[in-house]
Amino acid sequence: EPEVTQTPSHQVTQMGQEVILRCVPISNHLYFYWYRQILGQKVEFLVSFYNNEISEKSEIFDDQFSVERPDGSNFTLKIRSTKLEDSAMYFCASSGRVSTDTQYFGPGTRLTVL
Amino acid sequence: KQEVTQIPAALSVPEGENLVLNCSFTDSAIYNLQWFRQDPGKGLTSLLLIQSSQREQTSGRLNASLDKSSGRSTLYIAASQPGDSATYLCAVSDAGNNRKLIWGLGTSLAVNP
Repeated sequence: EPEVTQTPSHQVTQMGQEVILRCVPISNHLYFYWYRQILGQKVEFLVSFYNNEISEKSEIFDDQFSVERPDGSNFTLKIRSTKLEDSAMYFCASSGRVSTDTQYFGPGTRLTVL
Repeated sequence: KQEVTQIPAALSVPEGENLVLNCSFTDSAIYNLQWFRQDPGKGLTSLLLIQSSQREQTSGRLNASLDKSSGRSTLYIAASQPGDSATYLCAVSDAGNNRKLIWGLGTSLAVNP
């Protein structure tokens, strides 16, 4: 069964460093999302991506964040200068030809900022 | 602004019990509602999706209902097993074009042998 994959599973970085989180969505899906979950808190929407552009972003998704689909298969989230409060589990999701389809999630990347 | 609430926050039951998890949302203008399972430190596994036009969905021992007008959904788990122990999350799909999911905090379920 197709699945969303994410790498790395765990990333440790120093405050101020850039990180890139990678996702491979399900191959025929058209809608892509990033969410994050700070320990003990609700899952929060960061950004949605469709037709090679951002379709919506949350207040969290400021100038320090960016997303790309560089090669038609990978979907990346970049944090330019990490802060302590960026420590969280980051989940990538994709959904099919209709945006109301089920969103399928990857296993997540745990980001720890020291 | 859409808010999603889940009660109870935690639940501990003996194996074999039938149980109900509750989810409520403040804005009835949703496109669908999904129930997810999350094991400790792990990802999010989709269990059931109910479109806004539907009243319920079933998958094995799981049954989810949706009452959009009152802003409520329930997840019914029949004949619970220790392997059902996990956190169950409810998420509603926003009424905007991009269908972002808005999440509850979850119900942490422990099924004791």
